[in-house]
Amino acid sequence: AQSVTQLDSQVPVFEEAPVELRCNYSSSVSVYLFWYVQYPNQGLQLLLKYLSGSTLVKGINGFEAEFNKSQTSFHLRKPSVHISDTAEYFCAVSEGNEKLTFGTGTRLTIIP
Amino acid sequence: EAGVVQSPRYKIIEKKQPVAFWCNPISGHNTLYWYLQNLGQGPELLIRYENEEAVDDSQLPKDRFSAERLKGVDSTLKIQPAELGDSAVYLCASSFGAGDEQFFGPGTRLTVL
Repeated sequence: AQSVTQLDSQVPVFEEAPVELRCNYSSSVSVYLFWYVQYPNQGLQLLLKYLSGSTLVKGINGFEAEFNKSQTSFHLRKPSVHISDTAEYFCAVSEGNEKLTFGTGTRLTIIP
Repeated sequence: EAGVVQSPRYKIIEKKQPVAFWCNPISGHNTLYWYLQNLGQGPELLIRYENEEAVDDSQLPKDRFSAERLKGVDSTLKIQPAELGDSAVYLCASSFGAGDEQFFGPGTRLTVL
């Protein structure tokens, strides 16, 4: 069975500083990996996804993530955050690109 | 282009009462999903439809939850009777096909008193 672990429930970061949100997964087969963002009182929006090919994936809003098969990780990074990046971030895994299994989320708070 | 539409956005009911949530997916999307999101948790799949057929309802508590997508377009999720533990956000998502990107609606926040 597939699962996702987001160890950091909350991450405070100063504005314009870099950030990394950690995601580790477990699966017995090849996986597809996703990062979603959820702004307050809104639905989830896809930031980026890894299906195959290059392990460095670039997404919207300046975010990127790197798939590391040996470490079973898919950490999300941004070199310089803005106030508008304050939101909840969810990592998700899919074994057949059908059923998504989500992590518990990381709340990113940007400090002015 | 309109996104996934859900109504109501908020619902407060007393326990043991019935409640229903409605979802209209993006036009042309054949696959529709209902997720449950508890506070501080990620969404969990309740049921997935391919057109009007429920192809994965293994996580749907069938003693009190039911769903339908009669014409393969919009869908309704019902709880009867509601329990205190059902307080959560109910998210609807849709995709063109089972393997395509899922687009999420804003959700319905249910509070059971």
